[in-house]
Amino acid sequence: EAGVAQSPRYKIIEKRQSVAFWCNPISGHATLYWYQQILGQGPKLLIQFQNNGVVDDSQLPKDRFSAERLKGVDSTLKIQPAKLEDSAVYLCASSLGGRGVYNEQFFGPGTRLTVL
Amino acid sequence: GNSVTQMEGPVTLSEEAFLTINCTYTATGYPSLFWYVQYPGEGLQLLLKATKADDKGSNKGFEATYRKETTSFHLEKGSVQVSDSAVYFCALSDRAGNMLTFGGGTRLMVKP
Repeated sequence: EAGVAQSPRYKIIEKRQSVAFWCNPISGHATLYWYQQILGQGPKLLIQFQNNGVVDDSQLPKDRFSAERLKGVDSTLKIQPAKLEDSAVYLCASSLGGRGVYNEQFFGPGTRLTVL
Repeated sequence: GNSVTQMEGPVTLSEEAFLTINCTYTATGYPSLFWYVQYPGEGLQLLLKATKADDKGSNKGFEATYRKETTSFHLEKGSVQVSDSAVYFCALSDRAGNMLTFGGGTRLMVKP
C-alpha cells in the first residue's frame, strides 16, 4: 500500500515570496492533516480536513497561510508571503477518519522549507 | 489546552543499556497517548500507543504504561541497539478531535 506522498521534498525561497506544498494521502483516508515542525520542536497542527471540509484551522496563520482539499483527496498548503520564521518541515498526515474513535495517523516524508 | 512535556536530549547510551525517556501530559478528559519515532532521513512512525489508564503499549522491545494518577507515559527499553538511534516524540490525542499534540522530542544516540 502506498504511503502519504508529499512534494517537493525541499524548497528554498526568499522572504516575501510565495510557496506551495502538495500532499496525496493514503487512498481511502478521509482525514488529512498539515503540521509544521520547526527545527528542534515537535510537530504543531496547522489544519485538519475531514473529506473536503475544514475541521480545525485554529492554529493556521490565516493572514499568510491557506490550504485547500478539493474533491476530498489531494491537498495543497500555500504560504504567501513567506517570512523567515516559516522555515520548517511541513508534514502531511492522513487517517481513516471518524469522530470519537482514534484512527492512526500516517505521516508523509515532509517538505523542508528554508526561507532566506 | 492540551500539552506534552518530555525530557530534553540528547540522550546518549551505550549498546545494551536501559532506556527511559520521561513524558508527562496535561489534558482534559481521557486522551489517548502515543510514542512516535523519527529515524534519520525518514518520516514519523507510530511506535506504540495506549488508549486508557493502566494500558501498556509495546512494540519492538519498547514499552510505555498510561499512568493517569501521575499523568505520565514514560518510554522504556531494556536493551537498546545502535539502530534505535532516532528522535522520539510523545503525543496525545483529544478523543473528540483526533488531532495530535506533540512534545518537543528527545534525540537518542546509541553508541556501539
